[in-house]
This record gives sequence, structure tokens and C-alpha cells, in this order.
Amino acid sequence: QVQLVESGGGVVQPGRSLRLSCAASGFTFSSNPMHWVRQAPGKGLEWVAVISKDGSNEYYADSVKGRFTISRDNSKNTLYLQMNTLRAEDTAVYYCARAPNWNYVHVFDYWGQGTLVTVSS
Amino acid sequence: SSELTQDPAVSVALGQTVRITCQGDSLRSYYASWYQQKPGQAPVPVIYVKNNRPSGIPDRFSGSSSGNTASLTITGAQAEDEADYYCNSRDNSGNPGFGGGTKLTVL
Repeated sequence: QVQLVESGGGVVQPGRSLRLSCAASGFTFSSNPMHWVRQAPGKGLEWVAVISKDGSNEYYADSVKGRFTISRDNSKNTLYLQMNTLRAEDTAVYYCARAPNWNYVHVFDYWGQGTLVTVSS
Repeated sequence: SSELTQDPAVSVALGQTVRITCQGDSLRSYYASWYQQKPGQAPVPVIYVKNNRPSGIPDRFSGSSSGNTASLTITGAQAEDEADYYCNSRDNSGNPGFGGGTKLTVL
């Protein structure tokens, strides 16, 4: 069965960096676009970034553009999110999620359990 | 930011039918999907792209669309359906977007 397991969350000071990972299993990782979606405490879902199946295309929400970088290592079945210049408003649970294909890249058919990032001094 | 609008809260009596709606201009071009989220858990898709149910989702969940409005209907709501529900499609930039969520209470 499809499994997505995030890691790397924690408490970080404003202005610092953090890298999240998402280990995928149960499907051919290199066949699917992958996303990061976040949810601030008590708030709704916010799409963060997407990467194509071969890593050649990336798109970002305006709120993170220029600070966050999504990447993937298909040989390791792992998705990453490098987060730089973190702000208090980046505090959230970060989920990785799979898209079925590029035509339906805006659909999320499997989700991980999430990892909490807290930005605080 | 997403331009998909949902009612913040909806309630339904046990066993009755409830419709949760999502409005947005992008829904004239793209079908909506729907996700259920219970406290402390990750979202779970209940409807993909208009009216496709993932395996394991009861057939009391259905989706429909008309103009700029997408709807999730639960026919015969059960206590376990109490959750937050999010619609999703593309926003006006073509990026994925979510509605603000609807908290469903089953009375």
C-alpha cells in the first residue's frame, strides 16, 4: 500500500533553515508528481509547492516563493522541502501528498501523516 | 491565495442528507475534489474530480458540479462523518488551491 512518511520537523528560530523529507513506498515514486501542503494550527489547508515526476518542473505558492525549494531523489524514493529564512507564519504541520499524474496535478490522492514545524525564538 | 469559498460550518441530523458547497470561478473550468479531515489526522480524499470515490469510501458520499459551484453530498450522514471537509481545485493562477473548509457537525 502507498505510504508517505514525513520527517525533519521541529522547533527553529526565525530566519533559520530546516529541511523536511518524505519517504515514499508502495508505488513507483518516479511516476507521480509530488506536493507539499501545510496547515497552520487551527487553520485550513494551504498548498506550498509541487514538483514533476522527473524533477524538471517546480511551482510554488507566493507565500514561500524564493525561500522554499522542493526537490526529489527518485533513486531514494524521497521528496524534500528546503525551507530557508523561516518566519513565524511558516509554523504549521507540513504534509507531503501525491498527485495521480500531471493532468490532475491539482488532485491529492495520498497524504502522509505530517510533520510539525514551529518557528519561534 | 485560493479563491474557493466554503461555508465555515454546517450541521445535519443523524441519518439525514447534507450538502456542502464550494464556490469559485475556477470551478467553471476544473472539477473539484473533496477531502475529509478529522482532528489530529491527515486529510483523506473522499471524492476525486467531480464524482469519483476512492476505494474504501462509502457510497453515501457523492460529488456534483454546476457552474461555479461544486457540492459534496452525504446521503444518510453517520456520526463518523463529523469532520472538516475541504474542497480543492485549481486557483486562478492554475496552481492547486483549497477552500477554507467546512466543519460538519452530526447531531
